[in-house]
Amino acid sequence: EIVMTQSPATLSVSPGERVTLSCRASQNINSNLAWYQQKPGQAPRLLIYGASIRATGIPARFSGSGSGTEFTLTISILQSEDFAVYYCQQYNNWITFGGGTKVEIK
Amino acid sequence: EVQLVETGGGLIQPGGSLRLSCAASGFTVSGTYMSWFRQAPGKGLEWVSAIYSVGSTFYADSVTGRFTISRDASKNTLYLQMHSLRADDTAVYYCARFGDGYNFNWYIDLWGRGTLVTVSS
Repeated sequence: EIVMTQSPATLSVSPGERVTLSCRASQNINSNLAWYQQKPGQAPRLLIYGASIRATGIPARFSGSGSGTEFTLTISILQSEDFAVYYCQQYNNWITFGGGTKVEIK
Repeated sequence: EVQLVETGGGLIQPGGSLRLSCAASGFTVSGTYMSWFRQAPGKGLEWVSAIYSVGSTFYADSVTGRFTISRDASKNTLYLQMHSLRADDTAVYYCARFGDGYNFNWYIDLWGRGTLVTVSS
C-alpha cells in the first residue's frame, strides 16, 4: 500500500497570506494525485487532480505542483472561506489518502 | 443538478445490519464508476467499496465478506449493504463518483453529503 504523508498537520495563518501544503508518497505515483478541501460537516470537494489540474469551478488561487513522490498545494492569497482541512489522495495504485492538513485562523 | 444523496444511516447494535442508499441525479449510476468511502469521527478518509460500470465490485480488506455494494438502474441508486457491524465501522459514509474511471483515474469528482452510522450497544 502506498502511504501518503501530509505536512504540517496544522497550519495557523491569517487571511491574505500565501499557504503551501505538502504531501509525500512512499513510492513513485507519477502525477496521479488529487487534492480535496473539507469543511466541518461537509463532504470533501475536489480541488486538483493530475497533480496540477484545477477541477471545474475551483478558483485560480489554488494551484498544485509536483510529480513522483513530492507534491504541493498552494493557496496564493488565503480567503476566509479557505479555512478547512485539506487531503491529498494518490490514485496511481488504487486509492489512499493522506492524514490531512488543517488550515486554521491565526 | 448533479448530486448524490445518502440515506439509511443510524444507530445500530454490534452485529447488526444496515443498508445505505445513495440516490443520484443528473447522471446515470449504472453508466459510471461509483464508490463508498467513510470517515470515522475526527479521522481521515478511507475507501470502503467500489463498483465499475460493467458491474465488477471491490472491497477494502476491513469490510470484505461483511459489506456488499450494488446498484439499481431503475432507481438510479447505489447501495451498501452492511452486516456484522462492529464499533470500528462507526463513521460518516460517503457515496462518491470517480471522475475518470474509464481511464483508471480514481479521483473523486462528486461526493454526497454523507450519512452517519453509529455502531454501539
